[in-house]
Amino acid sequence: EVQLVESGGGLVQPGGSLRLSCDASGFTVSRNYMSWVRQAPGKGLEWVSITYSDGNSYFADSVKGRFTISRHNSKNTLFLQMTSLRTEDTAVYYCAKNRDSYLDYWGQGTLVTVSS
Amino acid sequence: SALTQPASVSGSPGQSITISCTGTSNDIGGFNYVSWYQQNPGKAPRVLIYEVSKRPSGVSSRFSGSKSGNTASLTISGLQAEDEADYYCSSYTSTTTLGGVFGGGTKLTVL
Repeated sequence: EVQLVESGGGLVQPGGSLRLSCDASGFTVSRNYMSWVRQAPGKGLEWVSITYSDGNSYFADSVKGRFTISRHNSKNTLFLQMTSLRTEDTAVYYCAKNRDSYLDYWGQGTLVTVSS
Repeated sequence: SALTQPASVSGSPGQSITISCTGTSNDIGGFNYVSWYQQNPGKAPRVLIYEVSKRPSGVSSRFSGSKSGNTASLTISGLQAEDEADYYCSSYTSTTTLGGVFGGGTKLTVL
């Protein structure tokens, strides 16, 4: 059974950093495309990043240069490193598995609050 | 949002409703990679439709998808109270290196 579990969210001050984790089971992260999608309170979904099986990652313009992706292949975990956080980064962050053109499995999400 | 959805739709139990999703030739009109997601309050989204009209196993046949030109549609037939949720469309787009773009979401109210 495929499962995705995010962790690492919390309260951080503007300008701070946070690292989110996405622990996967039931499939191999490094052999699949993976995405991070966020949802600000009361708002819609926003695609944050996509990571291909070759390890290349791409980011939304709103986070480019501030967010990076890494993988721990032996732990089957994907990380989203967020730096220079802004209040507008406040959102629930979902990790999701890509299947071709769509997202077939999602985690439960982790809340990131950027506030002083 | 890159894709345009109505903010809200409503219907009575047993009725059919359709949610539209309008894009451009760079996304919906140019590719058959439209997907639809249902999101209940406080929950993660789940996929209902992919590649315009395909249903993953376990998704009710009451949900169907279609596309015409730059507009995709999600139809829910035999509306049930449990269908009350937010619905998002998504499409591959040639204008970004990301996986795709989402619509702004539509709140479905079952009267």
